[in-house]
Amino acid sequence: QKEVEQNSGPLSVPEGAIASLNCTYSDRGSQSFFWYRQYSGKSPELIMFIYSNGDKEDGRFTAQLNKASQYVSLLIRDSQPSDSATYLCAALFPNTGNQFYFGTGTSLTVIP
Amino acid sequence: EPEVTQTPSHQVTQMGQEVILRCVPISNHLYFYWYRQILGQKVEFLVSFYNNEISEKSEIFDDQFSVERPDGSNFTLKIRSTKLEDSAMYFCASSERSPREGTYEQYFGPGTRLTVT
Repeated sequence: QKEVEQNSGPLSVPEGAIASLNCTYSDRGSQSFFWYRQYSGKSPELIMFIYSNGDKEDGRFTAQLNKASQYVSLLIRDSQPSDSATYLCAALFPNTGNQFYFGTGTSLTVIP
Repeated sequence: EPEVTQTPSHQVTQMGQEVILRCVPISNHLYFYWYRQILGQKVEFLVSFYNNEISEKSEIFDDQFSVERPDGSNFTLKIRSTKLEDSAMYFCASSERSPREGTYEQYFGPGTRLTVT
């Protein structure tokens, strides 16, 4: 079974704090992971991708991948009210071509 | 900045009718995808398309669905006989290369909201 699991939230953090979003996946052989942001009624927007174990930073965003634990996370530093959205984790599983498997998403609210 | 476009933004149809959803992928992209998202649920893969043929499809993509690239720019999803449960947001996406070849992420269009009554 190919599953990507996320806590649906809602997660609330005060403005300026660090928001931590987590995702687990079912197939240890998965290689590629993507974080998308989706505002209500809008399409998913790519934030970051990560392939290698460890951390990958891009501006206020840091993706972390731990393949041994089958765990990928997204940290948002200095959270802003404009970061309030649903964050989708997606994975590519082995032997499934180019299908992205999405989690249900975590709803984040940044409180001013 | 190049973007994926989709038309119409909202389509209302009666059960049993055929609908065609249209997409214009980013011009230098070679891989095209359709996803759907039922309200409040996760984004689900339907089909991927490369070199004028389907490369993968999910269990959702049954005989009622078809895709076509009728010219050099458009990519369409046809639902032959719509059902109530086809009501969803349909997203088209494209990528420059296969995501498996490296950092070739998928860019999503704004979506078409399909309402079947």
